[in-house]
Order: sequence, then structure tokens, then C-alpha cells
Amino acid sequence: GENVEQHPSTLSVQEGDSAVIKCTYSDSASNYFPWYKQELGKGPQLIIDIRSNVGEKKDQRIAVTLNKTAKHFSLHITETQPEDSAVYFCAAIPAGGTSYGKLTFGQGTILTVHP
Amino acid sequence: DGGITQSPKYLFRKEGQNVTLSCEQNLNHDAMYWYRQDPGQGLRLIYYSQIVNDFQKGDIAEGYSVSREKKESFPLTVTSAQKNPTAFYLCASSIKINYGYTFGSGTRLTVV
Repeated sequence: GENVEQHPSTLSVQEGDSAVIKCTYSDSASNYFPWYKQELGKGPQLIIDIRSNVGEKKDQRIAVTLNKTAKHFSLHITETQPEDSAVYFCAAIPAGGTSYGKLTFGQGTILTVHP
Repeated sequence: DGGITQSPKYLFRKEGQNVTLSCEQNLNHDAMYWYRQDPGQGLRLIYYSQIVNDFQKGDIAEGYSVSREKKESFPLTVTSAQKNPTAFYLCASSIKINYGYTFGSGTRLTVV
């Protein structure tokens, strides 16, 4: 099955700095890579996603890059704000095999943005 | 507004009791999922359902049971066989399998 590794586990930045979170996946058949933001006591919310036929996607201050050859993808947040503080999860969905269609999550990154 | 609703938000269970967590969606999604989240850990898949009257075990199904009698509903029962049930439980749905998920707000279960 799919295995997703996420780094770092914690990330602390100053307001206005950029933040980068990296994930690697094991199943080369994976073709969908979403990123979720989870605030304390709430369910995860989708913030951006990318499919395997695209190398980069941007949405305002958030961007995701995908390197299929190396099997890794990254979340980039620019001009961070205190309200960006949360736990961020990467995930991958394989296109086939026993894990077909099931999201496998990374372990999460606790992002803290200091004012 | 369309969404996915979990209830209750907090649930307390005595040792040896079964409890059922509710999950309802009005997004007209075919697929539904249950995940468990423990402090400082990622999300682990308990059960999922691609279509009404069908469901499959996830990675940690032991001690849990589900049903999918209606498209909108996917309740999870935590049985007394689950050795360590205290956790945050998240329900999710997607249009079809292999599409992005929408999550509910979660149910925090505590064994007392």
C-alpha cells in the first residue's frame, strides 16, 4: 500500500516569512495529492490539491509543487500570517492496487506563525 | 448549505459499552469514510464505503462496525472489542472514490 512521509513535524516562522512543508510518497501509481489544514478541535479542510499531470499549482499565497520522478510534493505558503497557524497534512491517492481511491495521510506538520 | 455533519461533538463511553457515531452528508457524494486521529498522529482509515449497501475495511477496522443503508448516512459503531477507543473520529465523503474528501467537524470519544 501507499506510504506518505511528511517533514518537518513542527515549523515555526515569523509573520511574513515563507513556509515549506515536504512530503514523499511510495506508490508511483498515486495520481492525486491534496493538502489539508486542520485547526484545533476541527476537521481537516482542503486548501489545495494537485493531480499527477500537473507540476505546480498556485492559489493566492499557497502553492503546491509535484515531482513525479522523485515522488515528492511540497506545500509553499508565502507571506505567512498568524491565522495560518494550524496542523497541515499532505495526502496521496493511488490510482490502482489495493489502496485505490483511499487517501493515505502524512503525519502532519504543526505550523506556528509568530506575530 | 451542503456539508457533512457529525454528531455528537463529544461522547463519553463506559467500559464494555457500544456507542454509535453519526455521520450525515447532503453533498450527494457516493463515497464515505471513517478515520481515527490520535494526538500528534495522522489520520488512519477505519472503514470506507463506495456505494450504498457496500463497505470495506480500512487499516484499523478491528473493534469497529459500520452500515450504509442510505447514501446520506454512514454511522460508525465503536464496540466493546475496541481496546483503546479514546480518540478523535472524523467522517469524510467524496463524489466518488479517487476524488478529494470533504470532512466533518469530528466526534471526540472518551472512555470513562
